[in-house]
Amino acid sequence: SQQGEEDPQALSIQEGENATMNCSYKTSINNLQWYRQNSGRGLVHLILIRSNEREKHSGRLRVTLDTSKKSSSLLITASRAADTASYFCATDLTSGSRLTFGEGTQLTVNP
Amino acid sequence: KAGVTQTPRYLIKTRGQQVTLSCSPISGHRSVSWYQQTPGQGLQFLFEYFSETQRNKGNFPGRFSGRQFSNSRSEMNVSTLELGDSALYLCASSLARGPIVYGYTFGSGTRLTVV
Repeated sequence: SQQGEEDPQALSIQEGENATMNCSYKTSINNLQWYRQNSGRGLVHLILIRSNEREKHSGRLRVTLDTSKKSSSLLITASRAADTASYFCATDLTSGSRLTFGEGTQLTVNP
Repeated sequence: KAGVTQTPRYLIKTRGQQVTLSCSPISGHRSVSWYQQTPGQGLQFLFEYFSETQRNKGNFPGRFSGRQFSNSRSEMNVSTLELGDSALYLCASSLARGPIVYGYTFGSGTRLTVV
């Protein structure tokens, strides 16, 4: 079963708007990562946030982590049509070295 | 530097056959992991290899196996294929094994269709 649940499952916005995706998980983690996938191709690593961090930025991306609520959010600011993709959160559990993925959010940015 | 290379990109096999997929990690990366992606189950961990040894295994039947060579290239094999094995198989490499620090680099995947 999936470790994480993502919300919403699908999101459609206009170019220039912000997109927020949420991820919840169930067990203690070492870190949480966000990946992007275009049209069933490989996953692209976006950002990693450690369990002792609360917020992290990378360009137009902002990730928050609340370990007390076991949740994370990914904010993409000033979205572009090229941001259209599926976004996955993945947790690195404290018990091992493998990633457990959420179900993903399909983001569509309309030009 | 070259990314993670997976071959072949597409594959069609018949039920009962076996298949071998290949993954060449980024030069210098010693850890290779495999994931299966299906519409119904999402992304699921298959196994991880480091220094030619399987270090971690997901919840898949014994028909799924793999290995890693001294140059860190990895292969996974699926025997006695079933229709449900149709999926995108993704390989990921990282510099070292867990706890993960920098994130994985994924290949473009092999799309396996079992008919």
